[in-house]
Amino acid sequence: DGGITQSPKYLFRKEGQNVTLSCEQNLNHDAMYWYRQDPGQGLRLIYYSQIVNDFQKGDIAEGYSVSREKKESFPLTVTSAQKNPTAFYLCASHPHGARETQYFGPGTRLLVL
Amino acid sequence: QQQVKQSPQSLIVQKGGISIINCAYENTAFDYFPWYQQFPGKGPALLIAIRPDVSEKKEGRFTISFNKSAKQFSLHIMDSQPGDSATYFCAASPWAGGTSYGKLTFGQGTILTVHP
Repeated sequence: DGGITQSPKYLFRKEGQNVTLSCEQNLNHDAMYWYRQDPGQGLRLIYYSQIVNDFQKGDIAEGYSVSREKKESFPLTVTSAQKNPTAFYLCASHPHGARETQYFGPGTRLLVL
Repeated sequence: QQQVKQSPQSLIVQKGGISIINCAYENTAFDYFPWYQQFPGKGPALLIAIRPDVSEKKEGRFTISFNKSAKQFSLHIMDSQPGDSATYFCAASPWAGGTSYGKLTFGQGTILTVHP
């Protein structure tokens, strides 16, 4: 899990509620990513950010929002518009300009009540 | 063209056997091919990675074989152990220019079970 922390480990959402997942890294990495993992579907990219105050949509951004106000933090909000939010959410980071791969946090499991 | 197709979906081997997981891609811009290992309830961790300038890379019991012309790569786990039981993901990313890689595209994952 390295220097990437995600909280909480489990999160419960009620109908119509927005919830925010936390991701913090102390690796001084420039780029950060959010993935959603569902059984049998691998990891799908929700949003990513390569620099503070800038982020781009991934393949499944609808119903999600992010912010990147600090280099070490990249919170993900699951909005009420996301109709099927139950999944395992993974945050990752990557150093800019490095010929190496992404490092993942331990994940947050989101469940709908 | 961005897909990475991984097979099999699940794999059962006996202790000491060889586990083989295959991936195929279409995007010729992909330039970096990592494999990740994920245990239940945990985040994926990098296992081994290869670039297309070599056809094989070995690290301990884990070997990646890469066939650029066929656009395929595979993970071989020699002398498989029960502790290797996990989900394995292949991935690929293009070179983004400068000194950076682009976004990773993941395969669907393979659940490996090694029986004692």
